[in-house]
This record gives sequence, C-alpha cells and structure tokens, in this order.
Amino acid sequence: SQQGEEDPQALSIQEGENATMNCSYKTSINNLQWYRQNSGRGLVHLILIRSNEREKHSGRLRVTLDTSKKSSSLLITASRAADTASYFCATDGNYGGATNKLIFGTGTLLAVQP
Amino acid sequence: EPEVTQTPSHQVTQMGQEVILRCVPISNHLYFYWYRQILGQKVEFLVSFYNNEISEKSEIFDDQFSVERPDGSNFTLKIRSTKLEDSAMYFCASDHGQGNEKLFFGSGTQLSVL
Repeated sequence: SQQGEEDPQALSIQEGENATMNCSYKTSINNLQWYRQNSGRGLVHLILIRSNEREKHSGRLRVTLDTSKKSSSLLITASRAADTASYFCATDGNYGGATNKLIFGTGTLLAVQP
Repeated sequence: EPEVTQTPSHQVTQMGQEVILRCVPISNHLYFYWYRQILGQKVEFLVSFYNNEISEKSEIFDDQFSVERPDGSNFTLKIRSTKLEDSAMYFCASDHGQGNEKLFFGSGTQLSVL
C-alpha cells in the first residue's frame, strides 16, 4: 500500500518568510491534495493537483508535483501567524473509481512566529 | 461554503459500550466517508458509502463497525463494543463522487474510550 511522508516533520519560521513542505508517495495517483488542520480541529482542503499538472497556484499557495519522483511540495509565501497549523498531503491511489479514498501523509507542523 | 456537520464534538464512553457518531453530509453530495485520526498518527480511511451501501472499506473497518444512512440527511458510524484503541478523532466527509475533486470534512468527533 502507498504511504505519504512529509518533511520536515516540524518547521518554525518568522512571519513574512516562506514555508516549504515536501511530500513523497509510493504508487501512481490520479491527484494529490493538500489539507490543513488547526490543532484539534477538522481538515480543510487547500489545493488539488492532478497527475498531469506540474504546478498550481492558489493565493499564497504554490504546489508542485513531480510524478517521476513521486513527490510534491507546498510553498506558502509571505507567511502569517494564522498559517500556524499542521499540513498534510493526501493521494487518491489511482483506484479508478469515484471514491476519495485518500492516503494521508504524516504531516508537517508549521509554526509561524509573529 | 456548505459544511459537513458532526455531532457530538466530544464523546466519552466506557469500554464495551456502543457509540454512534453522527454526521450530516453536504446535501447534494453522493459519496460519504469516515476517517479517523489516532492522536499523533496519520489520518486513516475507514469506509466510503454510496447509494446506500458500502463502496470500500479498510482493514480497520471490522465487524465492530457499521455505517448507516437512516434518513435523507444523516450518516452514522456505529461502533458496537468499543475498545480502548478506538479512542481517536473521527472525521466524516463527503463529495460528489466525480473523481479528482476535493473532500469536504467535518470538524470531527473526539471519541475517548475509558
């Protein structure tokens, strides 16, 4: 079974700096998604990138996908204290069906210091 | 934006008791899911549900677990005889089932089995 692994496990930066988180996975995918989780709360979808896309932007977020290396990165530019959260990548596993049976990574805990 | 709602937010139960976790998926969604997250671990897929039946389930989803859509709006997860290791945050989610789309998660039910 495929597994997602993020690195770093934890990242501490100053407000205004950029934060980069990486994700690796093991099998072929239809898409890769990034989610955010504030402490003890639900998962909020950030961005989805399809397997035939290499880069995608949404506001201060930039996601890249390299299917040859089975890896993705999430860049948050001009970070804010409110960006403090855990960030997870999730892959769909290329099951061929319509179900969003996601495999989540281990997560990166981002702390943005004001 | 429409939301998936879950109740209760916290549930404490004694080992061996039955619990029912409740969810109201987004009204025009067709696929419903349960995921769980044991403290400090990855978010794990439990089950997906479509057209009033289970479409996929993981190894975790054994005979102690069941899901039901008792009416047109609710989606429930029942654990028949809870164990200590069932303590986790349980997330309900839903989507249209079209593939390559984001998953909408509820804010979760924290289940503590004593």
